[in-house]
Amino acid sequence: NAGVMQNPRHLVRRRGQEARLRCSPVKGHSHVYWYRQLPEEGLKFMVYLQKENIIDESGMPKERFSAEFPKEGPSILRIQQVVRGDSAAYFCASSPLEHRGQNEKLFFGSGTQLSVL
Amino acid sequence: GDSVTQMEGPVTLSEEAFLTINCTYTATGYPSLFWYVQYPGEGLQLLLKATKADDKGSNKGFEATYRKETTSFHLEKGSVQVSDSAVYFCASMGQNDYKLSFGAGTTVTVRA
Repeated sequence: NAGVMQNPRHLVRRRGQEARLRCSPVKGHSHVYWYRQLPEEGLKFMVYLQKENIIDESGMPKERFSAEFPKEGPSILRIQQVVRGDSAAYFCASSPLEHRGQNEKLFFGSGTQLSVL
Repeated sequence: GDSVTQMEGPVTLSEEAFLTINCTYTATGYPSLFWYVQYPGEGLQLLLKATKADDKGSNKGFEATYRKETTSFHLEKGSVQVSDSAVYFCASMGQNDYKLSFGAGTTVTVRA
């Protein structure tokens, strides 16, 4: 079985451009979580989505950031008008069910490194 | 909110050396604690976990004990191999939560 696939691995954008990060969950998983790792910091929760629904976006900046997980296709994290402070590693994870309190079935991708020039 | 602090790296060791990576946490209640490992080019993988005080998680020769009195979950391995070269992340999660709180990660390089 393929694991969580994220692409691209590396993404370079100039200030003001848009960044689109893709996450294909493990086949059969309907829950997706996005985390961001800023330089010298730990991964921070951004958003939790189920198919076609945003369940919790409490960790996502209010402006310029959006996420979706359509019925068909990968989950997309979209950052509009990127700034240098958006440079970070963005990780996606998926699970077959909501994984409250346990995470044996939570699988992470290898991340997308976004660099804003 | 919950947070995790882990030993800064990078750490460079010789094969068969003893490895320890310190991790402390702050949390309300009694979180579950985890160590994740990221090998080059791969996603984060769950290495081991402990869900209550005094539990010891172990896997692949690595161990960590949930110490409530010192709010710590230090990772140890008695004899490392080159294949243990990776980034190690300490993490916590509330008992009824789905959000993980991670430390900054420690890069470990083992030389032959």
